[in-house]
Amino acid sequence: KQEVTQIPAALSVPEGENLVLNCSFTDSAIYNLQWFRQDPGKGLTSLLLIQSSQREQTSGRLNASLDKSSGRSTLYIAASQPGDSATYLCAVRSANTGANSKLTFGKGITLSVRP
Amino acid sequence: DAGVIQSPRHEVTEMGQEVTLRCKPISGHNSLFWYRQTMMRGLELLIYFNNNVPIDDSGMPEDRFSAKMPNASFSTLKIQPSEPRDSAVYFCASSRGQGYQPQHFGDGTRLSIL
Repeated sequence: KQEVTQIPAALSVPEGENLVLNCSFTDSAIYNLQWFRQDPGKGLTSLLLIQSSQREQTSGRLNASLDKSSGRSTLYIAASQPGDSATYLCAVRSANTGANSKLTFGKGITLSVRP
Repeated sequence: DAGVIQSPRHEVTEMGQEVTLRCKPISGHNSLFWYRQTMMRGLELLIYFNNNVPIDDSGMPEDRFSAKMPNASFSTLKIQPSEPRDSAVYFCASSRGQGYQPQHFGDGTRLSIL
């Protein structure tokens, strides 16, 4: 059974800092990995999707990397801003026959960027 | 384009009542997913449909939960009878295809069972 872990559960940093959010998963047989952002009282917004054949994806100040063999992904946020404050969730799509669309989520990292 | 639309946004009802949650996926998306989010368990997949057909309902907690997708633009998740432990935020998501495209989420229904 796939398990996704995100540690720490919460993080507080001063504005302007570059930061790395970590995600680990137990089963390396995946189709892809997706990073989401969730604001309080809102749904999830997809940030980046990395296919299993890719090593990284970039969007603006965000860069996500994937090391499938070691079961790890990182989300790098450059020059953090107070508007980046949210919960960041990592989700893995496992390559299980008959359930190839199932996303397994970590519990998220709640980020607070202090002005 | 409109995103995934869920209704109602909030629902408060008494134990034993029937609850129906609704979802309209993004037009052109042929996969639809129902999730439940709680503090204790995080986000859990309940069921997903592809081309209106249920593919995996192994996450549905028990027979009190049922989901339908009568057409490509509408799905319901029903709880009957409801119990306090069903209180959670229920999300609907849709995607184009089954596995290689990102899922897009609605804003959720916050359900409180008293």
